[in-house]
Amino acid sequence: DTGVSQNPRHKITKRGQNVTFRCDPISEHNRLYWYRQTLGQGPEFLTYFQNEAQLEKSRLLSDRFSAERPKGSFSTLEIQRTEQGDSAMYLCASSQGGGAYEQYFGPGTRLTVT
Amino acid sequence: TQLLEQSPQFLSIQEGENLTVYCNSSSVFSSLQWYRQEPGEGPVLLVTVVTGGEVKKLKRLTFQFGDARKDSSLHITAAQPGDTGLYLCAGAGYSGGSNYKLTFGKGTLLTVNP
Repeated sequence: DTGVSQNPRHKITKRGQNVTFRCDPISEHNRLYWYRQTLGQGPEFLTYFQNEAQLEKSRLLSDRFSAERPKGSFSTLEIQRTEQGDSAMYLCASSQGGGAYEQYFGPGTRLTVT
Repeated sequence: TQLLEQSPQFLSIQEGENLTVYCNSSSVFSSLQWYRQEPGEGPVLLVTVVTGGEVKKLKRLTFQFGDARKDSSLHITAAQPGDTGLYLCAGAGYSGGSNYKLTFGKGTLLTVNP
């Protein structure tokens, strides 16, 4: 079991640039989730996929954010025209079937927008 | 308003002491999870509780889900420095909603001093 992996682990970008993060879930898991965590807060739900279908999006996911899971395996989260308020830890999690509430998290991508 | 309130927010104790942290809500959850998170890393799942009144033990950690499924507690016996971390509770399916979206508390930051 290799666990959930995320790349890159750290990203520093200038305001206005686009960034893309990748998440590889646990191989047999069909559900994949994105969360965002800022300092002093718990993770906040952004969106989730069942296989390749994006089934729910939070209001936090503005139109500058887009997530894909094209073949139902890995997922990407893109942020366009980054703002300083986008600085956060972006966490990916995956789960399997009926135990959907047992989500296993990756190590996260720390984004810093300067 | 935070859906899940965790207390205390910070806790610093000596090795060998016992402690309890709390996770409270005015809403009913279908399940509740406890995670531990270390700096710069993703949350690691400790336990899931599903049934009201349920008690689960994981070595020196005891988790309890309230009878009404609105609150939970985590008790650590004889704390060790390795227990240091941010303890997060997360609920799924609150008030009959989606089981796939976790709602997190802000966490309890525990420091166990040698």
